[in-house]
Amino acid sequence: SQKIEQNSEALNIQEGKTATLTCNYTNYSPAYLQWYRQDPGRGPVFLLLIRENEKEKRKERLKVTFDTTLKQSLFHITASQPADSATYLCVSTRGSGGSYIPTFGRGTSLIVHP
Amino acid sequence: GAVVSQHPSWVICKSGTSVKIECRSLDFQATTMFWYRQFPKQSLMLMATSNEGSKATYEQGVEKDKFLINHASLTLSTLTVTSAHPEDSSFYICSARVTGETQYFGPGTRLLVL
Repeated sequence: SQKIEQNSEALNIQEGKTATLTCNYTNYSPAYLQWYRQDPGRGPVFLLLIRENEKEKRKERLKVTFDTTLKQSLFHITASQPADSATYLCVSTRGSGGSYIPTFGRGTSLIVHP
Repeated sequence: GAVVSQHPSWVICKSGTSVKIECRSLDFQATTMFWYRQFPKQSLMLMATSNEGSKATYEQGVEKDKFLINHASLTLSTLTVTSAHPEDSSFYICSARVTGETQYFGPGTRLLVL
């Protein structure tokens, strides 16, 4: 079955460092991947989308890569701040014939220490 | 733009009662709305896909008679948890999609069934 996998262990880093989160997918080839941020008790917020024909996408301090050979997307936050502490979700879609069925990874919790 | 609201934000009810949760897209018309359930430290699990004017499509394992979804207009979808039991206690989140790949999430509704 199609799977999206994220490291379930929390990532602890020091303020100012670059945080790198990993998303791996198996048994299918998504046309794109999305990254969302979720704070406790809140709904997810869209951050970035990257398509399979794009190697890299940037938005301010955020960068996403998509490696179709490794079946992996990396999400980077440069110059991290304590306010970046949250859970980051990797999202793909499944379905055929134009159908759109979201599939979420479990999310990786990022903790940025001051 | 692209704001999605949910009401109520939290609800406590007695076992056996029904609870209705509303999801509204405030500044856009959503062709599709999704309902998710999220347990603590778990990812979002898609419950159903709702298209305006048609029956919802439920994911495998989700009881459609227990989780009634109505999508009466392009800006409103409702989820009714019928005869709620303590195991239905969870965080329910809706999202809306216009076209394209991005979903806009509501803030979530926390349900506690006593």
